[in-house]
Amino acid sequence: QVQLQESGPGLVKPSETVSLTCSVSGGSISGFWWSWFRQAPGKGLEWLGHIHYGGTIRYKPSLGSRLAIVLDTPKNQFSLRLTSVTAADTAVYYCTRTLLDGSADYWGQGILVTVSS
Amino acid sequence: DIVVTQSPLTLSVTPGEPASISCRSSYNLLHSNGHNYLDWYLQKPGQSPQLLIFLGSNRASGVPDRISGSGSGTDFTLKISRVEAEDVGVYYCMQALQTPYTFGQGTKLEIK
Repeated sequence: QVQLQESGPGLVKPSETVSLTCSVSGGSISGFWWSWFRQAPGKGLEWLGHIHYGGTIRYKPSLGSRLAIVLDTPKNQFSLRLTSVTAADTAVYYCTRTLLDGSADYWGQGILVTVSS
Repeated sequence: DIVVTQSPLTLSVTPGEPASISCRSSYNLLHSNGHNYLDWYLQKPGQSPQLLIFLGSNRASGVPDRISGSGSGTDFTLKISRVEAEDVGVYYCMQALQTPYTFGQGTKLEIK
């Protein structure tokens, strides 16, 4: 059974950078897409971006150059780095395994990131 | 970006009765390969979302057959033939035809 676990800081100051890691167990990181989503408090789901084992990356354009997703194959992990955060980036961040058809079949439990001074 | 619109936004259903959620896309989600790139997710209270339906009509592993997805192009429907207490939560449709993937607003299903 594939399991994903997000880790990282729960509190980040405005204008700083948040880095989150997703650890994958029970399966290899090879051959799949790996995605990040988020959900602001009381709001709906938002796709942020994904990365393929082969190196292809897609980001949500509205995030501009603030977002980076990196794969660490030897550690079976992937990570998210979001720079210049504001209160609007406060959300629960989820990592997922994503199939070739775009569906996210395994989700982490989510990690709440609060942006506040 | 492709706009995805769900209706209704809330649904109150008596156990054992059917339920239906509509999802409309601003863009044709039928790919030239014959598949509709539309997924359905359920987020139960306090939990992460879980995949219910992929490619418009395919049930994910472990999803009971009383839950079904249908539709093509721009109009899709999620149906629950007999609602049970465990179906409570927020249902989202998501288009996966082109990035950025986009979600509907969500439909909250409550039990009467």
